Amino acid sequence: EPEVTQTPSHQVTQMGQEVILHCVPISNHLYFYWYRQILGQKVEFLVSFYNNEISEKSEIFDDQFSVERPDGSNFTLKIRSTKLEDSAMYFCASRGTGGFYEQYFGPGTRLTVT
Amino acid sequence: GENVEQHPSTLSVQEGDSAVIKCTYSDSASNYFPWYKQELGKRPQLIIDIRSNVGEKKDQRIAVTLNKTAKHFSLHITETQPEDSAVYFCAAGVGGSYIPTFGRGTSLIVHP
Repeated sequence: EPEVTQTPSHQVTQMGQEVILHCVPISNHLYFYWYRQILGQKVEFLVSFYNNEISEKSEIFDDQFSVERPDGSNFTLKIRSTKLEDSAMYFCASRGTGGFYEQYFGPGTRLTVT
Repeated sequence: GENVEQHPSTLSVQEGDSAVIKCTYSDSASNYFPWYKQELGKRPQLIIDIRSNVGEKKDQRIAVTLNKTAKHFSLHITETQPEDSAVYFCAAGVGGSYIPTFGRGTSLIVHP
């Protein structure tokens, strides 16, 4: 069964550094998402991406964040100038079309900002 | 925007008992309501979902009910087993672009 994959599984970075989180969505999916989950809290929507552009974003997704689909398979989340409060698990998800709403989540990247 | 409230935050049951988790939502336009199970350190996994054109859906030991008028939906797990122990999240959203709003989660503990 196809799965969403994410790399790295754990990223440690210093405050102020830039990080790029990588995702490979399921190959025939067209909608892509990034979510954040701070330890012990709920999953929070960051951004959705469709047809090579951002379709929606939350108030969390400010100028510090950007997304890109650099080729036909990868979907990346860039966080510029990381802050301590960016420490969280970041999940990528993808979804098909045709009335199928189910989102498939990746295993997540744990980001630790020190 | 949508606001989803979920209760209880923690639920402890004995193996074999039933468990019920309840959620309310605020946006009457929401028409898709998935439930996710998240084991410690793992990804959220969809266990069941319901659309607003039905009031109940069942899959083996799991069922979900939806009351559109009252804007609440519930997850029912019967004959609970220790492997059901996890955090369960409800979510609500509008189909189409579908941006789900998640509840805060319920930690279900099933004691053998």
